[in-house]
Amino acid sequence: EVQLVESGGGLAHSGESLRLSCAASGFTITNEWMYWIRQAPGKGLEYVANINKDGSEKYYVDSVRGRFTIARDNAKNSLYLQMNSLRVEDTALYYCVTGGGRLWGQGTVVIVSS
Amino acid sequence: DVVLTQSPLSLPVTLGQPASISCRSSQSLVHSNGHTYLNWFQRRPGQSPRRLIYEISNRDSGVPDRFSGSGSGTDFTLKISRVEAEDVGVYYCMQHSHWPHTFGQGTNLEIK
Repeated sequence: EVQLVESGGGLAHSGESLRLSCAASGFTITNEWMYWIRQAPGKGLEYVANINKDGSEKYYVDSVRGRFTIARDNAKNSLYLQMNSLRVEDTALYYCVTGGGRLWGQGTVVIVSS
Repeated sequence: DVVLTQSPLSLPVTLGQPASISCRSSQSLVHSNGHTYLNWFQRRPGQSPRRLIYEISNRDSGVPDRFSGSGSGTDFTLKISRVEAEDVGVYYCMQHSHWPHTFGQGTNLEIK
């Protein structure tokens, strides 16, 4: 079955760190740009970061640049998001998504408390 | 940032009737390579978003042909020819022609 499975979400205090992982199965991510997209409670969908096929290009939304790092390991068919200096406003459901939004995971919840 | 404005935000529809959602962009979505990266997503209650349409008018595999997309430049439309009960949910347009990629606010389709 073709799927993306996120993990690593949870509860953190402001200023702490979390690392999200996304494991792909049923297909290879090698040929895909990959994204992290989030949805905060009561808010719309927001792109967080994306990474090109070989990991040489990375883009971040302004609100996370300098705090979050997107990475991939094509050999492990996996995507990651290192989230440092977390803020309350980072609280959201985080999705791992293939390029153009073709395939979405089920999401992992991140809650940041003050 | 590119702002995508959807209308209406709430769309009550009678079963079997057509529905239409508009998505207007604050700037042209024509990429430097000539493609227009405007996609449409459906989010059913309790599920992750699902892509329905990519690059304005191309239906994804498995998407019923009652869904269609059209438009160009800054004005785009998603149409459902005959609404079925399974179409209930929130619909989003999204652009990935310009960074940061952005989404519309979402349109909540419900059955009257």
